[in-house]
Amino acid sequence: GAGVSQTPSNKVTEKGKYVELRCDPISGHTALYWYRQSLGQGPEFLIYFQGTGAADDSGLPNDRFFAVRPEGSVSTLKIQRTERGDSAVYLCASGFGGGNNEQFFGPGTRLTVL
Amino acid sequence: QKEVEQDPGPLSVPEGAIVSLNCTYSNSAFQYFMWYRQYSRKGPELLMYTYSSGNKEDGRFTAQVDKSSKYISLFIRDSQPSDSATYLCAMSTNQAGTALIFGKGTTLSVSS
Repeated sequence: GAGVSQTPSNKVTEKGKYVELRCDPISGHTALYWYRQSLGQGPEFLIYFQGTGAADDSGLPNDRFFAVRPEGSVSTLKIQRTERGDSAVYLCASGFGGGNNEQFFGPGTRLTVL
Repeated sequence: QKEVEQDPGPLSVPEGAIVSLNCTYSNSAFQYFMWYRQYSRKGPELLMYTYSSGNKEDGRFTAQVDKSSKYISLFIRDSQPSDSATYLCAMSTNQAGTALIFGKGTTLSVSS
């Protein structure tokens, strides 16, 4: 079956611009996660959705970052007034969200803010 | 001190060698332990998944968890050039849907 897909694969933008990153989870997975991975680092948690609601958004760095999952499937991560420090790979993962916590990752979106 | 510590390497071994990768952690509440493999410019791929202490074997891969020492390991037997990648350890508590906490990753290179 299809894995997690993310679009675009690469995004180059200018400082101050707005960007949207999309994630299509594995069909049937109710849990969806966003992580951010900087060069030479492991992924860092941003936000977790169970169904349509954000169950944990404690990893969002500031109020320029926002994510939605209106129908409990596809999710969009939105970044306002981008800064050069936002440059990273943004990873999406999905799972069943139960006790076992297995998470399956997509290929990521590489965001570059010039 | 970070919650999860992992030596970034790089680690270089010849083909056929046994590779040992490891992580230490500080949070005694961690119950789920995972190893992900990440090829360059790709997303992390779940390799091994273990709950609590003990060993788990899958083909050439063995994962070990020692909760008393807060130490986890991944062993790769008969390493192949295709095993060249970054290996990330990750762990979480048993709270449903909780975030994974990752190590920095260890870069492994297997030469033929």
